[in-house]
Amino acid sequence: GAGVSQSPSNKVTEKGKDVELRCDPISGHTALYWYRQSLGQGLEFLIYFQGNSAPDKSGLPSDRFSAERTGGSVSTLTIQRTQQEDSAVYLCASSLFWQGSSYNEQFFGPGTRLTVL
Amino acid sequence: DAKTTQPPSMDCAEGRAANLPCNHSTISGNEYVYWYRQIHSQGPQYIIHGLKNNETNEMASLIITEDRKSSTLILPHATLRDTAVYYCIVRVDGSGAGSYQLTFGKGTKLSVIP
Repeated sequence: GAGVSQSPSNKVTEKGKDVELRCDPISGHTALYWYRQSLGQGLEFLIYFQGNSAPDKSGLPSDRFSAERTGGSVSTLTIQRTQQEDSAVYLCASSLFWQGSSYNEQFFGPGTRLTVL
Repeated sequence: DAKTTQPPSMDCAEGRAANLPCNHSTISGNEYVYWYRQIHSQGPQYIIHGLKNNETNEMASLIITEDRKSSTLILPHATLRDTAVYYCIVRVDGSGAGSYQLTFGKGTKLSVIP
């Protein structure tokens, strides 16, 4: 079946521009995560959506970053007034969510490589 | 979540077992050990997880020491396609509110050599 998809795969933008990154999770997955990975680094958590609950935004690095999840499915990560330090691979993951159950693995998309010039 | 320590890199001959260590000396009783890997230019992929018993699936085996302060991921017959960065993650799992984000360190870069 289809996995997590992300678009675009690559994005080059100029400093100060806004960008939108899209994530299509696996159908039926109620949990959705955004991470970013800077060159040579591990993954950094950004934001988490679960069903209709308020998202966990604790990982967003600044107020230039925001994310939405419409209809409990597709999510968009928006970065306003991009800076060079925003250059990274932005990864989206989705999973089932069952309270009290055993672990539900996170399925990752291929990522969007963002380059801010 | 408890901190983990992994060697930055390892080599393994193709067809041999790859044994990847992870130290998690501050792990608490309700924290699980998870392993993910990331092949170049792809998103991370779940491999296996465990609490205190050894675990095995079609991809790998996970050996957790009795005191739970360290673990080893074993790929029984490494292939060139197993070349990747392997991440050991320790965190709480289970029910309750809150997110379940994974905290990835820098992992171990495993190179499988022909």
